Amino acid sequence: DAKTTQPNSMESNEEEPVHLPCNHSTISGTDYIHWYRQLPSQGPEYVIHGLTSNVNNRMASLAIAEDRKSSTLILHRATLRDAAVYYCTRIIQGAQKLVFGQGTRLTINP
Amino acid sequence: GAVVSQHPSWVICKSGTSVKIECRSLDFQATTMFWYRQFPKQSLMLMATSNEGSKATYEQGVEKDKFLINHASLTLSTLTVTSAHPEDSSFYICSAIAPRSYEQYFGPGTRLTVT
Repeated sequence: DAKTTQPNSMESNEEEPVHLPCNHSTISGTDYIHWYRQLPSQGPEYVIHGLTSNVNNRMASLAIAEDRKSSTLILHRATLRDAAVYYCTRIIQGAQKLVFGQGTRLTINP
Repeated sequence: GAVVSQHPSWVICKSGTSVKIECRSLDFQATTMFWYRQFPKQSLMLMATSNEGSKATYEQGVEKDKFLINHASLTLSTLTVTSAHPEDSSFYICSAIAPRSYEQYFGPGTRLTVT
């Protein structure tokens, strides 16, 4: 099964870091790991992606385990606007398809 | 960043009629676009891959005769839901891959309600 596994929901407080885990134990060596987030009634928004090394951008950091069977999206300082459903996905090489799991609904408390 | 639009943003149609949803890449050319369906509180389900100038590739279980996809140009893909039924009511989302990018850009979605 190519789907990823994430906790259904997580909760954090504003201005605190958030670590969103994802398991992708069946990932192949060439599949990239992508993270997207989705606000209600909107299309998903790209957050970050990586292959083997840890990655940083202005939105978040992505820590990828050495065996690539799991990864963690890190929001360094959560804001209320970060409340969304976060999807950890795999892009199937060649087909360029994204395989979405169930996602994690992140709630940020003020 | 690249922008993908969808039209209409919402539509209500009667059972048995057909409805067309457009997906456009506004500032880039997309040889490949994707169509997803999302039911309330569920994840996105890939329906099909739309390739410019060729037939779409449908995911298992998706009826190609019911969900007609046309990718007539490098900036436009359309999804036509034919003979719509109430169970086709859903949120339909398209995405496109920008050239030389791993990133998929998603449209804002189209909410279809079949009465």
